[in-house]
Amino acid sequence: DVKVTQSSRYLVKRTGEKVFLECVQDMDHENMFWYRQDPGLGLRLIYFSYDVKMKEKGDIPEGYSVSREKKERFSLILESASTNQTSMYLCASSRGLAGISYEQYFGPGTRLTVT
Amino acid sequence: GNSVTQMEGPVTLSEEAFLTINCTYTATGYPSLFWYVQYPGEGLQLLLKATKADDKGSNKGFEATYRKETTSFHLEKGSVQVSDSAVYFCAPSGGGNKLTFGTGTQLKVEL
Repeated sequence: DVKVTQSSRYLVKRTGEKVFLECVQDMDHENMFWYRQDPGLGLRLIYFSYDVKMKEKGDIPEGYSVSREKKERFSLILESASTNQTSMYLCASSRGLAGISYEQYFGPGTRLTVT
Repeated sequence: GNSVTQMEGPVTLSEEAFLTINCTYTATGYPSLFWYVQYPGEGLQLLLKATKADDKGSNKGFEATYRKETTSFHLEKGSVQVSDSAVYFCAPSGGGNKLTFGTGTQLKVEL
């Protein structure tokens, strides 16, 4: 079974802190994704990576950055956390072959609260 | 870009009732279509998928048919159980292996 793990289930940070959310997948997937999930808004894509060191902005990248130094690990960074970044953050991974849409496998999520 | 419209929830049903959750989408080309389910406190997991027109995806008693002419992918189940209580997301694929998720429909099944 594919496993996607996230470093924390719950996190509480203060406004202005730098926050790192880590995601690791064990299936050698090319693609990795970071989403945030908010009530009434569904899932919105923050960033997407299709290879090591490669990244692409999603729909809501402002206030976030990402890092992918190894194929299995994809980090989301909040440079200076703000209260409007309080949310559930979901990481996902999938195979990546041009022209084919593979299913995404999700981690359990990190509920981040910024006070 | 792609967009998805799902019926708003929550949908509340009695056990053994028939379920339909509507999903319509706009997309360029011929997307693959997915339904994901999220149980309380968990991440999303794939429920079923269809990759071309008229395909029917099915899993755990749930079904959805890829209707290209109406750009729809409605989720159905003949007899729901309390354990089906969850949030359901419709998602067409887009470019670059990305998915566009609907806002989700919460299903509550009562005894």
